[in-house]
Amino acid sequence: NAGVTQTPKFQVLKTGQSMTLQCAQDMNHEYMSWYRQDPGMGLRLIHYSVGAGITDQGEVPNGYNVSRSTTEDFPLRLLSAAPSQTSVYFCASSYSGTSGRPTDTQYFGPGTRLTVL
Amino acid sequence: SQQGEEDPQALSIQEGENATMNCSYKTSINNLQWYRQNSGRGLVHLILIRSNEREKHSGRLRVTLDTSKKSSSLLITASRAADTASYFCAKAMNFGNEKLTFGTGTRLTIIP
Repeated sequence: NAGVTQTPKFQVLKTGQSMTLQCAQDMNHEYMSWYRQDPGMGLRLIHYSVGAGITDQGEVPNGYNVSRSTTEDFPLRLLSAAPSQTSVYFCASSYSGTSGRPTDTQYFGPGTRLTVL
Repeated sequence: SQQGEEDPQALSIQEGENATMNCSYKTSINNLQWYRQNSGRGLVHLILIRSNEREKHSGRLRVTLDTSKKSSSLLITASRAADTASYFCAKAMNFGNEKLTFGTGTRLTIIP
């Protein structure tokens, strides 16, 4: 298993540009989430999904959109990038627990470091 | 807002010593998890403790949870240089892991 993969690893945008951060997992996890981490801080939840076709907002959703058309993929879209969105973005996935599979571990991707000028 | 804080914010100890870090939270939780993050890397899940558990062990890690005080502690015994990292606690209000609330972390430095 490749686990949770994220692309790109680094990205520089100009204010107002849009882009999509990709996240994929090959573990058939129902749950997927997007977090951002600012310097010296913990992670804050942007959006999450409990299954294909189902998404919801987290703590800091403004300026971001998500969709979940398949179990494997959970892309994060920046609609119009702003300097305040400069951060490291992490995708995570885990089992839901409804299938009897273990829920004790959540897997994180390696992160995307985004700079908005 | 981030619920709960880690304490201390930074900790430096000699290799071989034990390291203890604490996490507090404000509202009821289903479970609490500890993660390690090496500099510039992603998070690695260390251990999960549920609200009906008081203590859990995994190798050199020992986690306690006191729901009456709304606090948890992570003990790393016989520390090694490779334990140098930031450690975060994350609170789950629900049974699942889809919505975690992270603290601000403890930066642990092990001095060889």
